[in-house]
Formats: sequence, C-alpha cells, structure tokens
Amino acid sequence: NAGVTQTPKFQVLKTGQSMTLQCAQDMNHNSMYWYRQDPGMGLRLIYYSASEGTTDKGEVPNGYNVSRLNKREFSLRLESAAPSQTSVYFCASSGQGAGTGELFFGEGSRLTVL
Amino acid sequence: KNQVEQSPQSLIILEGKNCTLQCNYTVSPFSNLRWYKQDTGRGPVSLTIMTFSENTKSNGRYTATLDADTKQSSLHITASQLSDSASYICVVRAGIGGGNKLTFGTGTQLKVEL
Repeated sequence: NAGVTQTPKFQVLKTGQSMTLQCAQDMNHNSMYWYRQDPGMGLRLIYYSASEGTTDKGEVPNGYNVSRLNKREFSLRLESAAPSQTSVYFCASSGQGAGTGELFFGEGSRLTVL
Repeated sequence: KNQVEQSPQSLIILEGKNCTLQCNYTVSPFSNLRWYKQDTGRGPVSLTIMTFSENTKSNGRYTATLDADTKQSSLHITASQLSDSASYICVVRAGIGGGNKLTFGTGTQLKVEL
C-alpha cells in the first residue's frame, strides 16, 4: 500500500519563486492536512481539508495556498517563497472525523529557500 | 493556550536498556493522546492511542501510560534496540469543545547505541 505520497522529496528555490507540493492518499480518507516541521518546534498545521470541497486555515497559513483537487489529492502552493518557509513539509490524512483520528503521514518534502 | 511538553529533549541509552519518555499536557477538554515514532527522514507513525478511561496500553516493547488527573503520559521502551533510535512525539487531541484540534509536542530524540 502506498499510503500518503508526497512530491517532490527535495526542492531548492530562490526567494520569490513559486512551487506546488503535491500529495495523494489511497486510503479513501476524508480529511487531509499540510504541516511544517522546524527544528525545536512541534509540527504546525498550515491548512487542512476536512472533506472534499472544503479547506480551512491552520495555525500558520500565511504565504501558502491549498487546493483539494479531489478526495485523493491535496496540494500546497507557495506563491512567492521566502527564506522563512525553509522547512520540512508533511502531508497527512485521516479517515475518522471527530473520533480518534490517527494521522497517516507522507515521507516529507524538504524545501530550502535561498 | 493548549500546550504539550515532552522530556527529556534527547536521550542516549545502550542497546538492551529500558527508558521512559514523558509528556505533560494542558489541553482542555481532553479527547485522546497519541504517541508517534518518527524515524530520521520519515514521517511520524502512530504507536499507540490513549483515551480518558485508559491507564496503560502496550504495543510490543512499547508501553504507554496516562494519568488524566495530573495530565501526564509516559512511553516506556523495554529492551531497546538500535531500530528504536528515532524521535518520539506526543500529540494530544482536544475534545469537541476545544475544536477537536491537535497539539503536538516537540518530541524526544532517542538514540540507542551498542
């Protein structure tokens, strides 16, 4: 089972460039999430999608946009990258709503903004 | 503000030894608490979930405890192996009254040496 697949795994950008991180899950989960992980900090929620057709801001949404393309895919876009967006980005999905809600994570996308 | 604090920040033990990781939280209302294991360069993977009524739960060599009165959880690893080297993240979910939100700890970095 592939689970949650993220692309690309590594990316280097210059300040001001744009890019899109892609995420797809094959577990038929309703909810999908984008997190960033920085040294010394816990995972922080950027955006989430509770179900197909809906998206909501998380804790740190500034500088990002998302698209829930269909039930399987949830993309994260950086319109004008800044060095502060250098981070490891994780996509996750969850099949349970207000219940126990185990998160299934992708392998991460390591982004460096110069 | 909901917070999850983990200790120690890092730990080095010899293979075969036991260790205990701590998680203190101030999330309210409490719904559940999960321990995730994150191998270097990988996404977190759930080890166990603790709900309000559960005091102890085991998953192989991993045993989690929960004291809902003192808002503390621990993860005990028995007979450690090199493959236990990873970051262990405590994640607490708030109940519906708290928006069903997740609060992540910053993790304990465990290294198991020969």
